[in-house]
Parts: sequence; C-alpha cells; structure tokens
Amino acid sequence: DVKVTQSSRYLVKRTGEKVFLECVQDMDHENMFWYRQDPGLGLRLIYFSYDVKMKEKGDIPEGYSVSREKKERFSLILESASTNQTSMYLCASSSLTTGNTEAFFGQGTRLTVV
Amino acid sequence: KNQVEQSPQSLIILEGKNCTLQCNYTVSPFSNLRWYKQDTGRGPVSLTIMTFSENTKSNGRYTATLDADTKQSSLHITASQLSDSASYICVVSAGQAGTALIFGKGTTLSVSS
Repeated sequence: DVKVTQSSRYLVKRTGEKVFLECVQDMDHENMFWYRQDPGLGLRLIYFSYDVKMKEKGDIPEGYSVSREKKERFSLILESASTNQTSMYLCASSSLTTGNTEAFFGQGTRLTVV
Repeated sequence: KNQVEQSPQSLIILEGKNCTLQCNYTVSPFSNLRWYKQDTGRGPVSLTIMTFSENTKSNGRYTATLDADTKQSSLHITASQLSDSASYICVVSAGQAGTALIFGKGTTLSVSS
C-alpha cells in the first residue's frame, strides 16, 4: 500500500520560530509537492521537486523554503513563522511515468502560529 | 491562465439521495482529470481518473463524466451515505508528465440522516 507520511498531525509554534515540516514517501516517486490548504482558497502549491536536490517555486513560495537531499524525503521550512502561515499543510508525491499522474497525499499537518 | 472551477461550493443532502458535483476547467495542454475525496482532517484520496478519450467512469456509487469539448466534468453520487460527507476536489493535470496539477477549490458535501 502506497504511503506518504508527514511527521506531525498538529503543530503549534511561536511567531518568529523556524519550523520544519517533514514528508517521507515509500513509492520511489520522482515528484514531491508541498501545498497549503485554507478555507475558501483550496489547495495552493508552495514548492515542488522533480528530483533530488531540484526544487521549483509554486504559486505561493514567499516565506518558505524546501530541501530534498534524498529521493524519499521532502522538507518544508518556514524560516520565520508568522501568523498568516497558520494553515493545513499537505505533502504529496507522484510518479513521472507517463499516464500515471495520481498524486498521493499525506494526512496533513495542521500548523498554528501564535 | 489554467483554472479549475467547481460548483456548488457546498451542498447538503439527505441520506439515500443522489447528487451531482460540477467541474469546469480551462487547462492546456490537458493530460487527465481526477476527482479526489478529502475527509475532514485527512489528505485527499483519488476516486477516479479520466483521460481525454473517456466519457464516463464509475467507482462503486461514484460516476464521473467528462466532456472534453466543453471542458466540463461531473461527479455523480448515487444513494448517498453518511460516509460520503467530505470535500470533493477536481484536479486537472497539464502536460505529458502531469507535473502541473491544477486544483479546484472543492465542493463540501454534507449528508444528513
């Protein structure tokens, strides 16, 4: 059974803290993604990576950075957390195989910045 | 600009009734369209995938349709159950590799007894 695992279900951090959200997939997928999901706005792409050490900005990269040192792990970093980064964060992975573009999602991390 | 629009934004129905969710898209080049179900507090899970040449695809009580000419898709739920209460998200993949995933904002369905 395919699996994308996010390190935390719930996190509470203080403004200004550096926050790490970790995501691991066991499907040997090339693509990995970080989204945030907010009421009324749907899922918005923050960053994605299509290979180790490769990263591309999504629609809303400001205030975030990412790291992909190993194929199975994709980390999202909030350099200095702010209250407007309170959100649900979803990690996903997918294969580059043509015709198989299903994205598999983790269970989500609900981050609250106080 | 690539966009996916879903309607209605939210829907409340009685258990046992049918309902239809709509998805309109302007995405190019089109690769495929998926419907995802997202239970509260969980990540989305794929229900169906439809490619350009497919008109209808079923997954149990879920039936998705695709009209590539009008760029519209629908998800029909038959004989709804309480467990169908969730958000349903339409996602269109752009490009051959499908790396560009264009998400709709979702329809929140509540099934009441």
